[in-house]
Amino acid sequence: DIQMTQSPSTLSAFVGDRVTITCRASQSVSTSLAWYQQKPGKAPKVLIYKASNLESGVPSRFSGSGSGTEFTLAISSLQPDDFATYYCQQYTTYPVTFGGGTSVEIK
Amino acid sequence: EVRLVESGGGLVQPGGSLRLSCAASGFTFSDHYMDWVRQAPGKGLEWVGRIRVKRNGYTTEYGASVEGRFTISRDDSLNSLTLQMSDLETEDTAVYFCARVRMQLWQLDYWGPGTLVTVSS
Repeated sequence: DIQMTQSPSTLSAFVGDRVTITCRASQSVSTSLAWYQQKPGKAPKVLIYKASNLESGVPSRFSGSGSGTEFTLAISSLQPDDFATYYCQQYTTYPVTFGGGTSVEIK
Repeated sequence: EVRLVESGGGLVQPGGSLRLSCAASGFTFSDHYMDWVRQAPGKGLEWVGRIRVKRNGYTTEYGASVEGRFTISRDDSLNSLTLQMSDLETEDTAVYFCARVRMQLWQLDYWGPGTLVTVSS
């Protein structure tokens, strides 16, 4: 199975900060990677697919980059609505696997 | 509007069985692969499995922790997805989400709100 490792596991930031979250795969997933945002008690919501493509309706302050084994989700200017947990997911091979999550908290 | 709604969760004893359903509306259900994803209390997301569409033989894939115990099926005439769970363990306690797979791009683009399964004696 491909293991997905996210860092950091928790991130504290101010509104307006630029934040980045890293996701590393145990083997290459090419660009078969998505990012999801989840708020407490809610279902996840897809933000980025194919490593760098913004899902329709997602604010442009979110961006994704990377290929192979290293990926980054960036939020250019953190907004109050962005405090949530973020997950990466690889879908290049079965089983599909998720990273452990990064909780973005208010500083 | 795409809508997915899970049902069937509840309390079950270890070793028992439970059947979850996911009712889909607002899109052509038969055109999409469908996934189940779960989340144990306070933990991250875990992929449970996938069912493909008719032209791919309704074939399925499962995560290692559920293979042989869980079965995914679908009824395209009813726009319904099912997760049959058997030989349940306390570690299967989780919120179970159904999710639609975006065809050709493969992200999970719509999710239901989830249904809680508690395995406990």
